[in-house]
Amino acid sequence: RKEVEQDPGPFNVPEGATVAFNCTYSNSASQSFFWYRQDCRKEPKLLMSVYSSGNEDGRFTAQLNRASQYISLLIRDSKLSDSATYLCVVLSGGYNKLIFGAGTRLAVHP
Amino acid sequence: DTGVSQDPRHKITKRGQNVTFRCDPISEHNRLYWYRQTLGQGPEFLTYFQNEAQLEKSRLLSDRFSAERPKGSFSTLEIQRTEQGDSAMYLCASSFLGEQFFGPGTRLTVL
Repeated sequence: RKEVEQDPGPFNVPEGATVAFNCTYSNSASQSFFWYRQDCRKEPKLLMSVYSSGNEDGRFTAQLNRASQYISLLIRDSKLSDSATYLCVVLSGGYNKLIFGAGTRLAVHP
Repeated sequence: DTGVSQDPRHKITKRGQNVTFRCDPISEHNRLYWYRQTLGQGPEFLTYFQNEAQLEKSRLLSDRFSAERPKGSFSTLEIQRTEQGDSAMYLCASSFLGEQFFGPGTRLTVL
């Protein structure tokens, strides 16, 4: 079993739609969680950290459920520019290596 | 540009050849990571340096792979006797205490 598993994609949605991505992680000792965004043929970039209390950044909302070992990302009012791959990421070990899910591709169309 | 830089951006080589990649981290960052990403997958951790010390290596890093960070600044990743399965994007990231910032990657194609 992979350490971080994500919804298979791709998600094809119209502009203005709300879309949700889910992710589960296997290591119950994990302490830090993130969503990264990766555009085609580019490097991953941090989108937002994920906190137990849930956190919001504009149209993006991230949630963490430690009991279920489940992380989510909600994107409201999708824009064409949101088209990318969204990677669920868990921080692992004392040296802070990042464990990535395989990513979920989002395509927003007009 | 004060971000992480990697060189070369693309490398095409024949099976059996040796290749070396370079990463220049953000100048004040003492932590440096190498990751590998294959098509359709997320990046996978390869190795970690704190200053010049290599403190962790993944099982993915076979004995054909070696990484160095001789003066605690730039790092090199060498792959000896390349195989077709080594074709991937090799990403470098650096950090001080928090967020890891990624470089643009080196895309390796082994023919």
